[in-house]
Amino acid sequence: SQQGEEDPQALSIQEGENATMNCSYKTSINNLQWYRQNSGRGLVHLILIRSNEREKHSGRLRVTLDTSKKSSSLLITASRAADTASYFCATDPRGGSEKLVFGKGTKLTVNP
Amino acid sequence: DTGVSQNPRHKITKRGQNVTFRCDPISEHNRLYWYRQTLGQGPEFLTYFQNEAQLEKSRLLSDRFSAERPKGSFSTLEIQRTEQGDSAMYLCASSPRTLRRETQYFGPGTRLLVL
Repeated sequence: SQQGEEDPQALSIQEGENATMNCSYKTSINNLQWYRQNSGRGLVHLILIRSNEREKHSGRLRVTLDTSKKSSSLLITASRAADTASYFCATDPRGGSEKLVFGKGTKLTVNP
Repeated sequence: DTGVSQNPRHKITKRGQNVTFRCDPISEHNRLYWYRQTLGQGPEFLTYFQNEAQLEKSRLLSDRFSAERPKGSFSTLEIQRTEQGDSAMYLCASSPRTLRRETQYFGPGTRLLVL
């Protein structure tokens, strides 16, 4: 079963606007990772945030983590048409398992 | 750095046939994972290897599925007596051995269609 839940399920914006996607999860985690997937392709890792971190930046990406609310957000600033993809959050749950638990993803469309 | 590679990229088979997929991880990574992704869903964990040892298996991995990682390098995932419900993207990922949990790097996937 999938732990994470992304919100919204779909998001359509204009080029240059910011895009915010949210992720909620259920159990304690070691870290949370965001991935991008272009249609029908493999997953590209974007950013990893550990449970003791609250915010992380990478280029146009900003990720926040609130472990008390069990939630994370991904902000993409100054979006481009090339950012069109599905975005997934994946949690690394505490408890010894090595697996990542993914949500269903947010489908982002950036219109030129 | 060649990344994680998977072969074949696409496979069409008839119900009841056996199929085998291969994954070559990033060379210095000792951890290897298999996931399955169906349309409109996120990937779901199937199994995990540390070197050649298969340390974790999901309930999704029925008796018809078997994975191996001989010599701790490449891995194969075999599905016997395929069913239409096996149609999915099969993703492989690898990560390095460190004291902390690290990023899993994914390959391009093998898309399976069972007719």
